[in-house]
Amino acid sequence: GQQVQQSPASLVLQEGENAELQCNFSTSLNSMQWFYQRPGGSLVSLFYNPSGTKHSGRLTSTTVIKERRSSLHISSSQTTDSGTYLCALVPGYQNFYFGKGTSLTVIP
Amino acid sequence: ETAVFQTPNYHVTQVGNEVSFNCKQTLGHDTMYWYKQDSKKLLKIMFSYNNKQLIVNETVPRRFSPQSSDKAHLNLRIKSVEPEDSAVYLCASSIPGQGDTQYFGPGTRLLVL
Repeated sequence: GQQVQQSPASLVLQEGENAELQCNFSTSLNSMQWFYQRPGGSLVSLFYNPSGTKHSGRLTSTTVIKERRSSLHISSSQTTDSGTYLCALVPGYQNFYFGKGTSLTVIP
Repeated sequence: ETAVFQTPNYHVTQVGNEVSFNCKQTLGHDTMYWYKQDSKKLLKIMFSYNNKQLIVNETVPRRFSPQSSDKAHLNLRIKSVEPEDSAVYLCASSIPGQGDTQYFGPGTRLLVL
């Protein structure tokens, strides 16, 4: 079955609104990573976050191992935040399970 | 800042042809990877290569093969492309032990007609 479930599948925001993206995983965790993919573009690693909370600018990632979930919070969204957000679970070396992603559209 | 380079950006070819994609990283990383991203944006690992040790995802068809001249380069060859090979191929590199944080190239988009 699917190792990584992401929600929502898509999200439309007005510029300035906040976004909360969720990632749930069905297996034990070794590491967790969040990525951003520009529309038709390359993949950028946002956070490596196996546990706890990390901040980077307007982004906050929180991983709760016991609950097998990780979230990505985007505050004060901007149109340039539009794209696909992927979470990836790394239960062991060389195995990478990616979610299907959340497609975010921020409208001005 | 781009540190993982891939060429070409796009490639269109016909069924049965051979293609080769290049990847170079300037980060000094020890491990490189190839991923396939399908039309549903699912990322699946194909290969990883570390210190001349190749680890293959067993679901990858044999027509795919990685080629490495040194630890900064990992190319991908497809011997005889099939329509289902149409996808974006992403190259990445990492330093094992540093949380497996990976740095990705821009990708090569392949279209098989």
